[in-house]
Amino acid sequence: NAGVMQNPRHLVRRRGQEARLRCSPVKGHSHVYWYRQLPEEGLKFMVYLQKENIIDESGMPKERFSAEFPKEGPSILRIQQVVRGDSAAYFCASSNQAGTNPYSGANVLTFGAGSRLTVL
Amino acid sequence: GQNIDQPTEMTATEGAIVQINCTYQTSGFNGLFWYQQHAGEAPTFLSYNVLDGLEEKGRFSSFLSRSKGYSYLLLKELQMKDSASYLCAVRDIVIRDNYGQNFVFGPGTRLSVLP
Repeated sequence: NAGVMQNPRHLVRRRGQEARLRCSPVKGHSHVYWYRQLPEEGLKFMVYLQKENIIDESGMPKERFSAEFPKEGPSILRIQQVVRGDSAAYFCASSNQAGTNPYSGANVLTFGAGSRLTVL
Repeated sequence: GQNIDQPTEMTATEGAIVQINCTYQTSGFNGLFWYQQHAGEAPTFLSYNVLDGLEEKGRFSSFLSRSKGYSYLLLKELQMKDSASYLCAVRDIVIRDNYGQNFVFGPGTRLSVLP
């Protein structure tokens, strides 16, 4: 039973190129979250998706960044025209069906190993 | 909006007990989580509180007071391998076009365990 799979693990891009980061959630999980982490810092929320829907993208810059979670296939975080400031680790996490019951502790986030983007 | 605060760094000695505090402000609180993250690795789940009180799991315990917006993680019998960042996260209800539950993380506390 594979966990959250992210690829590539390391990606190097030159300024102005595009970066595509992929995330396959835990089998059966329908909620995907993307976080960004700079060295020595915490996880910054970017976007939260369910299958074919964006639930919350309040943490994602309006320009150059986009995310999708299609009906089939992995979730994709896309960064266009990358700049040096985009260099960071991007973590994907998934959880199972969200419910209204706060005692359903099973809705724990499971993280992937992260994709480390370096912009030259 | 959400605001989560933790101390940036802490140091403790092997075999000791350490308490890492977390304060939070959220609009739709639906549970508090603690994660451990070793340098260069993915965060891993440690504990979960939704009711007030103490949850114990081996050497790790977590406490929650919802009225005070406060939690702590207690680590007993510290080992060198406990040197890591400890992340406090709040699960928040999100209602926009669709219903969901978001997870917002604090800045993390970097714990160094010394021999």
